[in-house]
Amino acid sequence: DARVTQTPRHKVTEMGQEVTMRCQPILGHNTVFWYRQTMMQGLELLAYFRNRAPLDDSGMPKDRFSAEMPDATLATLKIQPSEPRDSAVYFCASGTEGLRSEAFFGQGTRLTVV
Amino acid sequence: AQSVAQPEDQVNVAEGNPLTVKCTYSVSGNPYLFWYVQYPNRGLQFLLKYITGDNLVKGSYGFEAEFNKSQTSFHLKKPSALVSDSALYFCAVRDIGAAFSGGYNKLIFGAGTRLAVHP
Repeated sequence: DARVTQTPRHKVTEMGQEVTMRCQPILGHNTVFWYRQTMMQGLELLAYFRNRAPLDDSGMPKDRFSAEMPDATLATLKIQPSEPRDSAVYFCASGTEGLRSEAFFGQGTRLTVV
Repeated sequence: AQSVAQPEDQVNVAEGNPLTVKCTYSVSGNPYLFWYVQYPNRGLQFLLKYITGDNLVKGSYGFEAEFNKSQTSFHLKKPSALVSDSALYFCAVRDIGAAFSGGYNKLIFGAGTRLAVHP
């Protein structure tokens, strides 16, 4: 049963600490999305990768957030330094490149910054 | 710029009654439209999509959606609601015109509509 795997599922950290969230896309998928979900903003697109190359990270605060794909099986989202306003659920989704393709979501990382 | 609007924060329905969750979209070209459902503490699950062809699309769990180009709408429907349908529903759009004109296949989501089905 192919699925997107995100780790950790939950993370509580202190303000100022570095946070790294990981995502394993479905094997064979070449597009990866990072979304952030909050009550106030809903689902926000943070970054988009195709064939491991970042195509759009305009939704991401550049001064503290960074997203990478070291290889085809791993995508990472880092926050350094973290702030309380970063508290949210972060979702990774993967898909194929076709425009008709739906995105498949992981279960998310619930981040709490205190 | 592409956008999706879900005008209702919450929809309340009695079990057994038909349900409708509304979605309207705005794109520069032709849209590909999607519905997702999110249960508590879970990721989004794909329900159905409209790409081309028949305006009435059938999806998982008995849901269907009707694409209306003149009204730029893609409302989600189910003939008979179940208590287990209670969840958060998201409409999403992909602007294929933007994708072909140098953009990419960005999937933009609406704010979500919470569906509550009462026994």
